[in-house]
Amino acid sequence: RKEVEQDPGPFNVPEGATVAFNCTYSNSASQSFFWYRQDCRKEPKLLMSVYSSGNEDGRFTAQLNRASQYISLLIRDSKLSDSATYLCVVNIDNDMRFGAGTRLTVKP
Amino acid sequence: EAGVTQFPSHSVIEKGQTVTLRCDPISGHDNLYWYRRVMGKEIKFLLHFVKESKQDESGMPNNRFLAERTGGTYSTLKVQPAELEDSGVYFCASSQVGGRPYTEAFFGQGTRLTVV
Repeated sequence: RKEVEQDPGPFNVPEGATVAFNCTYSNSASQSFFWYRQDCRKEPKLLMSVYSSGNEDGRFTAQLNRASQYISLLIRDSKLSDSATYLCVVNIDNDMRFGAGTRLTVKP
Repeated sequence: EAGVTQFPSHSVIEKGQTVTLRCDPISGHDNLYWYRRVMGKEIKFLLHFVKESKQDESGMPNNRFLAERTGGTYSTLKVQPAELEDSGVYFCASSQVGGRPYTEAFFGQGTRLTVV
């Protein structure tokens, strides 16, 4: 079983749609969780950290379920500029492990 | 403040040659990570330094790969001899060590390695 698993997609959605990405992790000792965004031929950049109570940043909402070892990212009112690959990242003792990424394409 | 920098940005070498990639982390960041993304695949962990010590090198594919971080500052990743399957983008990332659970890792722009 992979340490971090994501649905690779691709997700093709129209502008304004709501889209949700899921991620599961295998190590129950995982300590912190992140969503990174990677644009084509660019480096990954932090989108948001994922807090135990769930957190929201504008159109983006992240949720964590430790019991089910599951993380989610919800994007509301999708914009063309949201098109990218979204990476689920899990941190165990400062070792960061990545999911394969979910590719999102937002179309006009 | 300078971010994580990697050199070179691109490298094209022949099979059997040696290549050395360099990463300069953000000043003060004791954690330094190397990752690799092969075309069409996920980003894979290679190894993790804390200062000059290798905390975890479980992701290193084989003994053709050698990573060093002398003095706990910049790091090099040497591939010798390079094989075709080593082609990909090699990313370096750094972060602070500390008690904060949500310490962000910052990435360099990567080195695109092509072995022909």
